[in-house]
Amino acid sequence: IAGITQAPTSQILAAGRRMTLRCTQDMRHNAMYWYRQDLGLGLRLIHYSNTAGTTGKGEVPDGYSVSRANTDDFPLTLASAVPSQTSVYFCASSELAGLNEQFFGPGTRLTVL
Amino acid sequence: AQSVTQLDSQVPVFEEAPVELRCNYSSSVSVYLFWYVQYPNQGLQLLLKYLSGSTLVKSINGFEAEFNKSQTSFHLRKPSVHISDTAEYFCAATRSNTGFQKLVFGTGTRLLVSP
Repeated sequence: IAGITQAPTSQILAAGRRMTLRCTQDMRHNAMYWYRQDLGLGLRLIHYSNTAGTTGKGEVPDGYSVSRANTDDFPLTLASAVPSQTSVYFCASSELAGLNEQFFGPGTRLTVL
Repeated sequence: AQSVTQLDSQVPVFEEAPVELRCNYSSSVSVYLFWYVQYPNQGLQLLLKYLSGSTLVKSINGFEAEFNKSQTSFHLRKPSVHISDTAEYFCAATRSNTGFQKLVFGTGTRLLVSP
């Protein structure tokens, strides 16, 4: 089934540990995005990628890094997790950047203790 | 910078009653507007969008939204809600389509439909 997969579904992590959230899409979309969702704040863009090989910073990039080595994969890395990074993380993709519909993955629930 | 305001964090309503979820955006020369729905424990799904043309846009499950430029609003309405409409609804906006434009989301409105 075409779409976006994210792994893991949920994770509890000790502060200071490194963590990579995985995201894979099979729709051959050019653009991909990482959001975090927090109660009362809605979705905030962390990083994005217009196309393979390029990335950009969103609204809340600090403490996160991304890479886009190919079209399908867009991993998000927390180099040294902190409790404020406890959130639900959504990966999304769109055929072209901007106006086209963004398709969302099921999310990863991350708890940093 | 573009901003989107959803004043109602939660809207309780009885089944078969009408509902309106409010969304206002900051004024811009060009703006493109979206409503996304998030069912419990799922990702977001596009409900409807306004890009150009008719200011009234409709979804396949009975929701509609009207782009009102003078009031900078894009309120979502449904004349008769079902229990299955219980979800969180996010309004989102982006500006002109030149170059990469990031979606800006509102804080969401939780629609609670009870029997």
